[in-house]
Amino acid sequence: DVKVTQSSRYLVKRTGEKVFLECVQDMDHENMFWYRQDPGLGLRLIYFSYDVKMKEKGDIPEGYSVSREKKERFSLILESASTNQTSMYLCASSTQDRVKNIQYFGAGTRLSVL
Amino acid sequence: KNQVEQSPQSLIILEGKNCTLQCNYTVSPFSNLRWYKQDTGRGPVSLTIMTFSENTKSNGRYTATLDADTKQSSLHITASQLSDSASYICVVVRSNDYKLSFGAGTTVTVRA
Repeated sequence: DVKVTQSSRYLVKRTGEKVFLECVQDMDHENMFWYRQDPGLGLRLIYFSYDVKMKEKGDIPEGYSVSREKKERFSLILESASTNQTSMYLCASSTQDRVKNIQYFGAGTRLSVL
Repeated sequence: KNQVEQSPQSLIILEGKNCTLQCNYTVSPFSNLRWYKQDTGRGPVSLTIMTFSENTKSNGRYTATLDADTKQSSLHITASQLSDSASYICVVVRSNDYKLSFGAGTTVTVRA
C-alpha cells in the first residue's frame, strides 16, 4: 500500500512564525504536491514537484515556498505565517503517468495561525 | 468561477438507501474524471477514474457515470452503509497540461 505521511496532524502557530510542514512518501513516486483545503472550496494547488530539487508553482503559491532535497520528502514552508493561512494542508504523491496518475494523499495537517 | 460544480452540497440518507451525486464541469480539453472519497480527518482516496471513452465504472457499491458530451458525471451509491458517510470529491483533468480541477465536494451523511 502506498503511504503518504504528514509529520503533524494539528499545528498551532502565531502570526509571523516560520512554519514547516513535512511530507514523506514510501512508493518512490516522482511527483509530489501540496494543497490547501478550505470549506466550500475545492482543493487548491500550492506547489508541486516532479523531481528532486525541482518545483513548480501551483494556483496559490503566494506566501509559501517548498523544498525537495530527497525524492521521498517534500516540505512546505510558510516564511511568515498569517491568519489567512489557517487551513487544512494536504500532501499527495503520484507516478509520472500523465493520464492515470492517481494521487495518493496524506491524512492532512490542520494548521491554525493565531 | 470553479470549473467543477458539485451538487448537492450535502445530503442525509438512511442506511440501506441509494443516492446519486452530481458533477458538472467546464474543463476543456478533457482528459479524465476522478471521484475521491474523503473521510473526516483523512486525505481523499481514489474511487474511480474514467477517460473519454468510458461512460460507466464501478467500484463495489459505487458506480460512476460520465457523459463527456454534456460534461456531466454522477456517482451512485447503492445500499448505503454508515461507513459511506464522507465527502465525495469530483476531479477533472485537462488534457493539454494535465492540470487537476477539484470540485468543492458533496458531504454525505448516512444515518441508521
